[in-house]
Amino acid sequence: SAVISQKPSRDICQRGTSLTIQCQVDSQVTMMFWYRQQPGQSLTLIATANQGSEATYESGFVIDKFPISRPNLTFSTLTVSNMSPEDSSIYLCSVRTGNTGELFFGEGSRLTVL
Amino acid sequence: AQSVTQLDSQVPVFEEAPVELRCNYSSSVSVYLFWYVQYPNQGLQLLLKYLSGSTLVKGINGFEAEFNKSQTSFHLRKPSVHISDTAEYFCAVTAYNQGGKLIFGQGTELSVKP
Repeated sequence: SAVISQKPSRDICQRGTSLTIQCQVDSQVTMMFWYRQQPGQSLTLIATANQGSEATYESGFVIDKFPISRPNLTFSTLTVSNMSPEDSSIYLCSVRTGNTGELFFGEGSRLTVL
Repeated sequence: AQSVTQLDSQVPVFEEAPVELRCNYSSSVSVYLFWYVQYPNQGLQLLLKYLSGSTLVKGINGFEAEFNKSQTSFHLRKPSVHISDTAEYFCAVTAYNQGGKLIFGQGTELSVKP
């Protein structure tokens, strides 16, 4: 298992600004992922955060909008850039620690854009 | 590619009644299957998982699920629910070769009434 801490837990932001979400894991993990959960919706994978290289983005998500850093095996950041109200969502960091596909999730960062 | 369909968006049930939350998946390759629970304002917690072997898997909080390969289903059941089971439940799938990426269903809101 893994303990995942996300900061901030929630924030209210103004349109056009950017916010960086941090994800800290209590152990070294190979695979880290960022998901988005829009209000009343399921989870959608934004990208895989790769240590030492550029993140791998899913269809519909681009680096300019969601830049991701992964400087080491326990930490990652997701930035939501030039925010609009449509970016109001919960952003969740998750990690895989074994070979079975099971993911562990942080508590999420609830973002409201006005 | 894989996909997951949760057949019920909302399931209201009375306390101590049995419940079944339905999940169907689609995949051309072998998969791992999961059920996660999300309590209000919290992250996701793993309920149970099917990797291989026995098709009936037991999880936490008295939940169990049965993998049915011929029907491509992975329904979640509990013989007697509690008020505290009120939450959002997500079925998820990953293929053996998908690098740990989980694909989530749309979620089922379980509402347990006294």
